[in-house]
Amino acid sequence: NAGVTQTPKFQVLKTGQSMTLQCAQDMNHEYMSWYRQDPGMGLRLIHYSVGAGITDQGEVPNGYNVSRSTTEDFPLRLLSAAPSQTSVYFCASSYSTRASGLEQYFGPGTRLTVT
Amino acid sequence: DAKTTQPTSMDCAEGRAANLPCNHSTISGNEYVYWYRQIHSQGPQYIIHGLKNNETNEMASLIITEDRKSSTLILPHATLRDTAVYYCIVRFNYGGSQGNLIFGKGTKLSVKP
Repeated sequence: NAGVTQTPKFQVLKTGQSMTLQCAQDMNHEYMSWYRQDPGMGLRLIHYSVGAGITDQGEVPNGYNVSRSTTEDFPLRLLSAAPSQTSVYFCASSYSTRASGLEQYFGPGTRLTVT
Repeated sequence: DAKTTQPTSMDCAEGRAANLPCNHSTISGNEYVYWYRQIHSQGPQYIIHGLKNNETNEMASLIITEDRKSSTLILPHATLRDTAVYYCIVRFNYGGSQGNLIFGKGTKLSVKP
């Protein structure tokens, strides 16, 4: 299993540009989520999905869109990039129900700079 | 989700046990204690979780007090590679939005030679 993969690893955008951060998992996990991490801070939840076709907002959703058309993929779209969106973005996935625990698996992150 | 309180930073000598405390005095009966760590620049990594019994796996041990208001993560023989930020998170073990992890600032553990 590749686990959770994210592309690209690094990206530089100009203010106002749009782009999509890709996230995929091959573990057949129902639950997927996106976090952002700013320097010296913990992770903050942007959006999450409990299954294909179902998404919901987290703590900091403004400026981001998501969709979940398949179980495997959960892309994050930046509509009009702003310098405040400079951050490291992590995607995570887990089972939704499991007697042994709901541990989340994280991808390696995408480092985004908006100038 | 219940709030957790962790020390900002701790040091540990290589080869010694690292004991990382976490207070969660408002934890409810159905909430589990989860521990994750984040090694510099990498995605967080799951370590261990528990409800009320002590738990052990190949990475660590989790000791939860009888009243469940605090817990301790133990790395029995810390190595330099265990230097990381350790997050203690309490959450319900349900799916849906209750699967969301709420990260605090964690404890920065520095393992020194």
